[in-house]
Amino acid sequence: GENVEQHPSTLSVQEGDSAVIKCTYSDSASNYFPWYKQELGKGPQLIIDIRSNVGEKKDQRIAVTLNKTAKHFSLHITETQPEDSAVYFCAASKGTYKYIFGTGTRLKVLA
Amino acid sequence: EAGVTQFPSHSVIEKGQTVTLRCDPISGHDNLYWYRRVMGKEIKFLLHFVKESKQDESGMPNNRFLAERTGGTYSTLKVQPAELEDSGVYFCASSGGGLAGEQYFGPGTRLTVT
Repeated sequence: GENVEQHPSTLSVQEGDSAVIKCTYSDSASNYFPWYKQELGKGPQLIIDIRSNVGEKKDQRIAVTLNKTAKHFSLHITETQPEDSAVYFCAASKGTYKYIFGTGTRLKVLA
Repeated sequence: EAGVTQFPSHSVIEKGQTVTLRCDPISGHDNLYWYRRVMGKEIKFLLHFVKESKQDESGMPNNRFLAERTGGTYSTLKVQPAELEDSGVYFCASSGGGLAGEQYFGPGTRLTVT
């Protein structure tokens, strides 16, 4: 069935360093890839997304890249700050409104 | 604009009991979704409403789960009777129309079945 693999499950970086989280999806028909950030006690919040007709998208310190051939997409956070500490989820969708999520990455930014 | 709200935030029940979770979507959002995250695993899709109609309920685990969305506004998810494996965090999300529109998530209900 459809699945999304996400790595790593935990990631610790020093403040100011970059963080990269990688996801692989199984369904080649997937065309929408959102990334969510979940802070403690809150629900997941969309931070960036990318559609299959684009290879890269950037929003300030956050960027997402998509390789459709390899069915990989990645989240890049530069100049990490303590407030970036959270659990990050990638997801894939075929535009049918049903998101298939990865298992999450717990990011810790060490001051 | 108020976000997606869920009630209760936590629920602890015994195996065999019934629990009803409630979700109030963002006003005007026709699409409403339920998801569940079991400890350490992925956030898993349960079902999708368009207004009051079930569009896709392929993720519902079994017939102990019943979701409703009367009048196309708020939604409830009832688990009856609850089993230990039903424990987890239940998220509700809503979205407006459009192509794979952004889903806005609520804070979740943490359900513990003992």
